[in-house]
Amino acid sequence: AQKVTQAQTEISVVEKEDVTLDCVYETRDTTYYLFWYKQPPSGELVFLIRRNSFDEQNEISGRYSWNFQKSTSSFNFTITASQVVDSAVYFCALRRGAGGTSYGKLTFGQGTILTVHP
Amino acid sequence: NAGVMQNPRHLVRRRGQEARLRCSPVKGHSHVYWYRQLPEEGLKFMVYLQKENIIDESGMPKERFSAEFPKEGPSILRIQQVVRGDSAAYFCASSPPNGNTGELFFGEGSRLTVL
Repeated sequence: AQKVTQAQTEISVVEKEDVTLDCVYETRDTTYYLFWYKQPPSGELVFLIRRNSFDEQNEISGRYSWNFQKSTSSFNFTITASQVVDSAVYFCALRRGAGGTSYGKLTFGQGTILTVHP
Repeated sequence: NAGVMQNPRHLVRRRGQEARLRCSPVKGHSHVYWYRQLPEEGLKFMVYLQKENIIDESGMPKERFSAEFPKEGPSILRIQQVVRGDSAAYFCASSPPNGNTGELFFGEGSRLTVL
C-alpha cells in the first residue's frame, strides 16, 4: 500500500522567513513519482513539481527547492524568503511508476496549511 | 486557454436529491480522473475513465455514486440520494493519452454542500 504523511498540519511564518514543508512516503515500488501541489485560497490545485524515483538530484526553481532523499523516504519542500502570496495548502503526492491504469492515481498527503504573515 | 473545466463550481442539494458534476478535460486529453476532498483532508482518488470506459473505480463508494465519460460531451460524476457526508470538493483531472509522467491537469473543483 502507498502512503504519504505530511506531519505538519499548519505552519505560520513571517514574511521573508524560510520554511520547509515535510513529506514522508511509503511504497514498495522501486519506480514511483513524487509531486507537490499548491492549493491557494481560491481552491484550485497548482502543480509545482514532479520527481521520479531514479532522480535524487535536488531541484531549485526560484524561491522553491526540493530535497529528495530515498534513504529516508522523504521529499521535503523549502520556500526561501517566503511571501504572503505563498499562503496556501501544500500537498505532497505519490504515484506508482508502473504506468497503465496507475498513472493518474495519486496518493495525497493530508496537506500542510502555510500562513505567511506580513 | 482551455484547461479542465468543471461545473457547477458550487452546488447545494438537500438530502435525498441527486447531484451531477460535469468535467470537460483539456482539449485532446482522453483520460479523466475524479478526486474527492473532504473538509480539511487531502484528495482521495475516486475513479479513472477513458472515453466510454471505466478503467479503475476502486475509490468509488459502492452505492449511489457513478461516473461516465461518453464518446461526446463531458465526464459526469453522479451522486444519487445525497447525504450530508457527501459534502466535499470534487476535483476532476485529465491527462493526455501518452502522459505516462503522471502530471495531471486539475480543474478548479466543484463544491457540493448537502443541507
